[in-house]
Amino acid sequence: DQQVKQNSPSLSVQEGRISILNCDYTNSMFDYFLWYKKYPAEGPTFLISISSIKDKNEDGRFTVFLNKSAKHLSLHIVPSQPGDSAVYFCAASEINDYKLSFGAGTTVTVRA
Amino acid sequence: ETGVTQSPTHLIKTRGQQVTLRCSSQSGHNTVSWYQQALGQGPQFIFQYYREEENGRGNFPPRFSGLQFPNYSSELNVNALELDDSALYLCASSLGPTSGRAAAGELFFGEGSRLTVL
Repeated sequence: DQQVKQNSPSLSVQEGRISILNCDYTNSMFDYFLWYKKYPAEGPTFLISISSIKDKNEDGRFTVFLNKSAKHLSLHIVPSQPGDSAVYFCAASEINDYKLSFGAGTTVTVRA
Repeated sequence: ETGVTQSPTHLIKTRGQQVTLRCSSQSGHNTVSWYQQALGQGPQFIFQYYREEENGRGNFPPRFSGLQFPNYSSELNVNALELDDSALYLCASSLGPTSGRAAAGELFFGEGSRLTVL
């Protein structure tokens, strides 16, 4: 039962342009959302998070938007850089539960 | 600050065998979680250990078991290996549940142990 879905397996974007990654979830008990980035042969690294009491969180070039009514979140990367080429995972957890449910990931390729 | 380290990085086993994977948590972290990542999928939660006690378990059979030691390092044991157990096993450490949602929710992953079952 896939509770977190990333429907785009891949995304190609030109350097300097915006990357938009989407994530949908089905579990209404999720209240904390995270994005992780993974390079080949490395473990995932934390990128940015958002609590359900917010609808936007920004950290430098990365912004996460949360639409609770639509059960949808997105990650915006502006401007995209070659070093952003990686697999991005969306993850979520329920209140008082620290296990993370992950999506299948989106592979981002930033073209020079 | 020492990060999360896992061993071995790669291993090959045959069906029915047993395997033990090891993880050293990041300095200052008292919680360890284990995830299984099959090819083309996201990581799936196996279980979490907090101060040497299991603190949550995902939908994995009992032949998946674990331990956490007083120094907060951890082991994942899988008995009676099946072909479908072939995957990348990720260990992640974090601060404990009493550290607040943001701190406890941010997991620091190791590079994983790639298990192939033949």
